Amino acid sequence: SQQGEEDPQALSIQEGENATMNCSYKTSINNLQWYRQNSGRGLVHLILIRSNEREKHSGRLRVTLDTSKKSSSLLITASRAADTASYFCACHTGANSKLTFGKGITLSVRP
Amino acid sequence: DSGVTQTPKHLITATGQRVTLRCSPRSGDLSVYWYQQSLDQGLQFLIQYYNGEERAKGNILERFSAQQFPDLHSELNLSSLELGDSALYFCASARGVSYNEQFFGPGTRLTVL
Repeated sequence: SQQGEEDPQALSIQEGENATMNCSYKTSINNLQWYRQNSGRGLVHLILIRSNEREKHSGRLRVTLDTSKKSSSLLITASRAADTASYFCACHTGANSKLTFGKGITLSVRP
Repeated sequence: DSGVTQTPKHLITATGQRVTLRCSPRSGDLSVYWYQQSLDQGLQFLIQYYNGEERAKGNILERFSAQQFPDLHSELNLSSLELGDSALYFCASARGVSYNEQFFGPGTRLTVL
């Protein structure tokens, strides 16, 4: 079963607007990570939030984690056309380092 | 550039054949992970190696195998290929054995005809 499930599946916004993407998961996690993938290319790690953290910032990115609701959100502020990509949440669970990815959110930022 | 290299970039082969995908991790990273990405299945974890030893196994078919060599590069072997094996195959590396961020290579696009 899918551990991380993103919502919405697709998001289209105007440049300068904020983009909010959500991720829900089923079992307890050690940490949750967000990755970006430009079309057909490798994934790029954006941010990692541990299970005992509630919020983390990195540049224009803000990630929150609510372990009671088993959910996380990724906020990209002041979006740019270059932010157009697919975004994945990935859950790190268990004693090994297996990462379980969601199906991804396609973000389109219109110039 | 993540520092992870994968070869080849593209591979076209026929059903029933065997191929080998190669991955070199970032300098200093001891863990290597293999993932398969397809439109219908999404990004699926296949297998992880840490410092030469198999560490975790995911949805890897019996026709697939992998190994990590003493110089830490890794190879993923896919045999008796089927049309459904067509996908993007990524490797990723990480510093330690668990809980770390992963750095992905550019991927190998495999097309099975």
